[in-house]
Amino acid sequence: NAGVMQNPRHLVRRRGQEARLRCSPMKGHSHVYWYRQLPEEGLKFMVYLQKENIIDESGMPKERFSAEFPKEGPSILRIQQVVRGDSAAYFCASSPGLAGSTDTQYFGPGTRLTVL
Amino acid sequence: GQSLEQPSEVTAVEGAIVQINCTYQTSGFYGLSWYQQHDGGAPTFLSYNALDGLEETGRFSSFLSRSDSYGYLLLQELQMKDSASYFCALDRGSTLGRLYFGRGTQLTVWP
Repeated sequence: NAGVMQNPRHLVRRRGQEARLRCSPMKGHSHVYWYRQLPEEGLKFMVYLQKENIIDESGMPKERFSAEFPKEGPSILRIQQVVRGDSAAYFCASSPGLAGSTDTQYFGPGTRLTVL
Repeated sequence: GQSLEQPSEVTAVEGAIVQINCTYQTSGFYGLSWYQQHDGGAPTFLSYNALDGLEETGRFSSFLSRSDSYGYLLLQELQMKDSASYFCALDRGSTLGRLYFGRGTQLTVWP
């Protein structure tokens, strides 16, 4: 059973360009979460999605950032007009969406975004 | 809001036992999770406490005391490969869908 897959693993963009980060959840998982991690810090929640629905985007910056999880295909985190402060590791996690609180999240290897 | 406090660094020698503490402030949560991260790689799930008390999983155990707003991760028979960052995270439940992570504790195991 393949784990959570993310691509690309490394992404370099110049200021003002767009960055697209992809996440394929584990087989059988219908819930996807995106986190951002700066060096020496913990993971900061950004957005929680189910198929075709954004459940919670309270951690997402209001501008330039968007996320989707279409019926078919991977989840996409899109950052428009990137700035140097967007440089970070972006992790995706997925969970099966079990009822109750024990809905363990499994993380992908992350995408390291560098903005020049 | 919520906050989590963990020591930034812990060091120990092979074969020893180490305890990583996590204190928190929150208005409500379902449980406390622990994750391990090697060199900025994928965080991996270690343990989860929904109820007060000790949960044991092999060499790793985790403890939660809701009355003290406190938890810890206990690592026994330390091995070099245990050198990593360890994060506690408040579980807000699947409805809210997010884990609130602490800043992490860097564990270094010496031979």
